[in-house]
Amino acid sequence: SYELTQPPSVSVSPGQTATISCSGARLGNKYTCWYQQKPGQSPVLVIFQNNKRPTGIPQRFSGSISGDTATLTISGTQATDEADYYCQAWDSTTTLHVIFGGGTRLTVL
Amino acid sequence: QLQLQESGPGLVKPSETLSLTCTVSGGSMRSSSYSWGWIRQPPGKGLEWIGSIYYSGNTDYNPSLKSRVTISIDTPKKQFSLRLSSVTAAETGVYYCARQEQLWFETWGQGTLVNVSS
Repeated sequence: SYELTQPPSVSVSPGQTATISCSGARLGNKYTCWYQQKPGQSPVLVIFQNNKRPTGIPQRFSGSISGDTATLTISGTQATDEADYYCQAWDSTTTLHVIFGGGTRLTVL
Repeated sequence: QLQLQESGPGLVKPSETLSLTCTVSGGSMRSSSYSWGWIRQPPGKGLEWIGSIYYSGNTDYNPSLKSRVTISIDTPKKQFSLRLSSVTAAETGVYYCARQEQLWFETWGQGTLVNVSS
């Protein structure tokens, strides 16, 4: 079955750049999106279609894709960015159409 | 502003059927631009897609749950529902409903905790 792999945790200092990866076979042929989930809250879409930001999401959030790896980049990371981040893709070649990555805990030290 | 609100029993016995409803407010369900989905999250774990229902009424389910899942929609009532039969304790968690635009979930409900226990 199709899988998306994320690192379990990433740490970053305030003001620095955080990068979170998401890898999967042929991911470059699919659209990837990213969600931010803070403790006790619902997920919030922060990136869709690989690199688009929904209205209201700060410009410091950006997305990219290269080969089989999608990347969420947070520039000038703030303490309020500390959260779990999930990638998600849509796979029409299998019967599991919506796939989530396992999630990455971003810690702002 | 679109809002989604899950409702249903917070406690379900093992082997019984979990039934949840998502009520949509602040927007219409009568748009072919959107579909509607259910996602769940066990305590301390990641997100799992359960299934989605499209404007056409067609449904798409996670293959691992397909034999036990039914998602339905009642557009005039602005609601869509989830039924999951023969639940086990491992299916305890927060259940979210969400509006799906193309390939992503752009608005989520606050989630409802369902405990599967006798």
